[in-house]
Amino acid sequence: SYELTQPPSVSVSPGQTATITCSGDALPNQYAYWYQQKPGQAPVLVIYKDTERPSGIPERFSGSSSGTTVTLTISGVRAEDEADYYCQSPDNTNTSVTFGGGTKLTVL
Amino acid sequence: EVQLVESGGGLVQPGGSLRLSCATSGITFRSYWMSWVRQAPGKGLEWVANINQDGSEKNYVDSVKGRFTVSRDNAKNSLYLQMNRLRADDTAVYYCARPVGEPFWGQGTLVTVSA
Repeated sequence: SYELTQPPSVSVSPGQTATITCSGDALPNQYAYWYQQKPGQAPVLVIYKDTERPSGIPERFSGSSSGTTVTLTISGVRAEDEADYYCQSPDNTNTSVTFGGGTKLTVL
Repeated sequence: EVQLVESGGGLVQPGGSLRLSCATSGITFRSYWMSWVRQAPGKGLEWVANINQDGSEKNYVDSVKGRFTVSRDNAKNSLYLQMNRLRADDTAVYYCARPVGEPFWGQGTLVTVSA
């Protein structure tokens, strides 16, 4: 089955830049999506179609794609950005959707 | 305003059944593939099933094949998940979602499978 691989954890100090990667074989052919989830809350979309930012999401959130890896970048990290982040993508047959295992972002 | 509202969750014994519903508004429901996604306590997100626009194509994660059935009623702008032979590892928050394109999600409904 298709897998997306994320680092389990990333730690940064306030004001620094956090980068979270996600790797998967279908990513050259499929869009990636990124979700932020805080404890007890539903996931919130922060990036869609690799690089698009939904309305209401701060400009410090950005996405990029290169080959089999997509990256979520959070510039000027704030304490409120501490959360779990999940990448997501369809598989190459477009019959299912896969989520990465999630990355816990800790703001030191 | 886009709204997806799940209902039907609750406590059920192992081997029992539940039917989840997702009422949508503010979207052209009949135009979209729709999915169910779940999240077990303390775990990550897991795609469960999806269904195409007219209900003629359905896909499931292996762990629910033969037990869960996804369906839709485009006249009622609603999505459903019939869950049979429930197991303890089906315990999760279940979300109704269109996870691709310009995604939208509901707030989820909790299903607890326990004796």
